[in-house]
Amino acid sequence: KQEVTQIPAALSVPEGENLVLNCSFTDSAIYNLQWFRQDPGKGLTSLLLIQSSQREQTSGRLNASLDKSSGRSTLYIAASQPGDSATYLCAVSAFGNEKLTFGTGTRLTIIP
Amino acid sequence: GAVVSQHPSWVICKSGTSVKIECRSLDFQATTMFWYRQFPKQSLMLMATSNEGSKATYEQGVEKDKFLINHASLTLSTLTVTSAHPEDSSFYICSARDPRAGGNEQYFGPGTRLTVT
Repeated sequence: KQEVTQIPAALSVPEGENLVLNCSFTDSAIYNLQWFRQDPGKGLTSLLLIQSSQREQTSGRLNASLDKSSGRSTLYIAASQPGDSATYLCAVSAFGNEKLTFGTGTRLTIIP
Repeated sequence: GAVVSQHPSWVICKSGTSVKIECRSLDFQATTMFWYRQFPKQSLMLMATSNEGSKATYEQGVEKDKFLINHASLTLSTLTVTSAHPEDSSFYICSARDPRAGGNEQYFGPGTRLTVT
């Protein structure tokens, strides 16, 4: 059974700093990996999707990497802003299975 | 872009009553939708996969007679919580797969906060 873990559970950094969020999964046979953002009491916003054949994806100040062999993904946020404060979730899907298995999330706070 | 809506955004009901939550794909047709629930400060747990025109597939431990799912059209799936109890209070989120984008990415609705008193 696939298990997805995110460390740390919470992170506070001063505005302007670069930061890295971590996601690890136990079964490396994944189809893709997605990073989401969730604001309090809200739904999920998809940030980046990495196919299993890819190593990274970039969107603006966000860069997500994927290392399937080690079962890890990182989300790099450059020049953090207070508006980046949210909970970040990673999720993986398996081949032939559309279901997503979510990580436990990292609650990020950017201090102005 | 792909947009998914949910209605209502929040609902309060009394124990024993039933509540229906709607999930709509606004600008695409979704043959498959997913229903999740999320407890406070916890991650999302998949409840069931909703397929248009067929019965939903429930995850282990989810009572299909309690959480009725109907996917009557390519743009609408509904989740009905029957005979609701306080322990059913949770945040319910749906998602839909956009086949136009290769079918890999899921787009999520804004969620419905259910409180059972």
